[in-house]
Amino acid sequence: EVQLVESGGALVQPGESLRLSCAASGFTFSRYWMDWVRQAPGKGLVWVSRISGDGSATSYADSVKGRFTISRDNSKNTLYLQMNSLRAEDTAMYYCVRVEDYWGQGTLVTVSS
Amino acid sequence: DIVMTQTPLSLSVTLGQPASISCKSSRSLLRSDGKTYLHWSLQKPGQPPQLLIYEVSNRFSGVPDRFTGSGSGTDFTLKISRVEAEDVGVYYCMQSTHLPPFGQGTRLEIK
Repeated sequence: EVQLVESGGALVQPGESLRLSCAASGFTFSRYWMDWVRQAPGKGLVWVSRISGDGSATSYADSVKGRFTISRDNSKNTLYLQMNSLRAEDTAMYYCVRVEDYWGQGTLVTVSS
Repeated sequence: DIVMTQTPLSLSVTLGQPASISCKSSRSLLRSDGKTYLHWSLQKPGQPPQLLIYEVSNRFSGVPDRFTGSGSGTDFTLKISRVEAEDVGVYYCMQSTHLPPFGQGTRLEIK
């Protein structure tokens, strides 16, 4: 059974950093592209970042480029999102997504003073 | 960037009646392997999205046959033959060929 379990969400102040993790199981993690997608309260889904199976290719939404870094450790079956210089508008539920099919339950990031 | 446009943005349907959602992409989703990587997902209230249809017309495991996907190139449609209460939520067409992968979604409610 495919499982994606996010962690690391928290309440932080503007300008601070946070690292999200996503533990994957039930499939060969290194074979799949992975996304981070976020959803602000009451709003629609917004794609954040994508990484290839071997980690060599990454893409970012313009809104997070230069502040967020996606990475993965295939030996640990774990996906990461390093978020720096956080802003109030980054407040959202962050989902780990196996591209095309499975979503995790999400982890909540709140940026507020 | 690709633009995925869904219509309508919201839909109010009587139980047992059909529903249809259109999805248009600004670029062709047909890949060189001959496949079209256009999928439909439903986000029920308080839950993450769940895959319903993959590669235009294939129902994902456990998805009822009242859900049907069709289309090609840049125009796609999701049809629900008879809406049930559990179908309430936001429907997203998603593609995995270009970025970003999805548009604004279509909210379905029961009339």
